[in-house]
Amino acid sequence: ETGVTQTPRHLVMGMTNKKSLKCEQHLGHNAMYWYKQSAKKPLELMFVYNFKEQTENNSVPSRFSPECPNSSHLFLHLHTLQPEDSALYLCASSQEEGGVDEQFFGPGTRLTVL
Amino acid sequence: GQNIDQPTEMTATEGAIVQINCTYQTSGFNGLFWYQQHAGEAPTFLSYNVLDGLEEKGRFSSFLSRSKGYSYLLLKELQMKDSASYLCAVRDSNYQLIWGAGTKLIIKP
Repeated sequence: ETGVTQTPRHLVMGMTNKKSLKCEQHLGHNAMYWYKQSAKKPLELMFVYNFKEQTENNSVPSRFSPECPNSSHLFLHLHTLQPEDSALYLCASSQEEGGVDEQFFGPGTRLTVL
Repeated sequence: GQNIDQPTEMTATEGAIVQINCTYQTSGFNGLFWYQQHAGEAPTFLSYNVLDGLEEKGRFSSFLSRSKGYSYLLLKELQMKDSASYLCAVRDSNYQLIWGAGTKLIIKP
């Protein structure tokens, strides 16, 4: 048990659908991250929240919209996605952004866009 | 640009030793991480190096040479459960993590 949970574990959606991914961490951390993991490619950092404030948006298309209501919860809202957005979406947390501590990852949501 | 290189795939035999290399070119250096990721599961932290030298943790060891931009992960007494992907990541001068694409390790009986 890593202390970071993600739901759903699998999601299939059409290009016109709206869905949300949820992440929750039970570690008392202050930083949370969304990553995209595609086959045989490095992890791509999408968004970072530190103490509930967004500190990083790595040129992510607006069809991905993050939300962080508190330090324990992180959402990724999805709207009019493209087939190339199919990937594993990982959530992670750490004590704080920029610290020396490692990141703890959730199991991911496997997203398929039809 | 920033770059992390590691082999795409390696094969080793149960009970043997394997070394997974990672070379990096980044803007600054504030530590190097190794993570293990089993298929369909979350990456889990294995080791952290910020100073040159070898860090040993049970069957796993990690080495760092900052002057060469090089690290390796050494796995001893390989077990079938060690079959996984191993991810190398470097923290740059902005404390951003730059990730390699991972090395898929296949263990054969």
